[in-house]
Amino acid sequence: DGGITQSPKYLFRKEGQNVTLSCEQNLNHDAMYWYRQDPGQGLRLIYYSQIVNDFQKGDIAEGYSVSREKKESFPLTVTSAQKNPTAFYLCATSGQGGHFSNQPQHFGDGTRLSIL
Amino acid sequence: SQQGEEDPQALSIQEGENATMNCSYKTSINNLQWYRQNSGRGLVHLILIRSNEREKHSGRLRVTLDTSKKSSSLLITASRAADTASYFCATDFNKFYFGSGTKLNVKP
Repeated sequence: DGGITQSPKYLFRKEGQNVTLSCEQNLNHDAMYWYRQDPGQGLRLIYYSQIVNDFQKGDIAEGYSVSREKKESFPLTVTSAQKNPTAFYLCATSGQGGHFSNQPQHFGDGTRLSIL
Repeated sequence: SQQGEEDPQALSIQEGENATMNCSYKTSINNLQWYRQNSGRGLVHLILIRSNEREKHSGRLRVTLDTSKKSSSLLITASRAADTASYFCATDFNKFYFGSGTKLNVKP
């Protein structure tokens, strides 16, 4: 099936620990995005990537890092510098024309991160 | 902020009734999109309307766009219990901005 796979579904972070959220897509989309969603809130952009080996900061990049070594994969690391990491994290992709063009975004089913 | 803002924040209706949600934004846009999010899931794209379009239909969905008022509305006709979800508008201006959503509850 074509789609976006986020793993794990639930993740717990200990104090001072870095954790990595996985996002894999088989839609052959160029652009990939990471969003953070807090309860009852909209989505805020953390990082985005339009092409392999390139990525840009979004509105709330502090305390997060990403890599884009393969077209299919865009992992997000939540570092210990992110003091309030508890949230629902969503990965998305968009197709030809990518990057905020007039293309819909396709979303994975999210990872819920909590602090132990 | 260029973020779209949905109104109302919450809406509760009976099955079969129509549901209308509104979105207001602050700057010029290229297009506006509506998404649905079921509880604990990712967002699903519903419809895209370009800045030069005034109305668009998709099944039971009707979206209007008034660029002079910087607003859009999403109408769901003959609602079903399965339409229960949060609905977000997203505007693009260099980046995508999502509003905080309207939580729709359709009672059977």
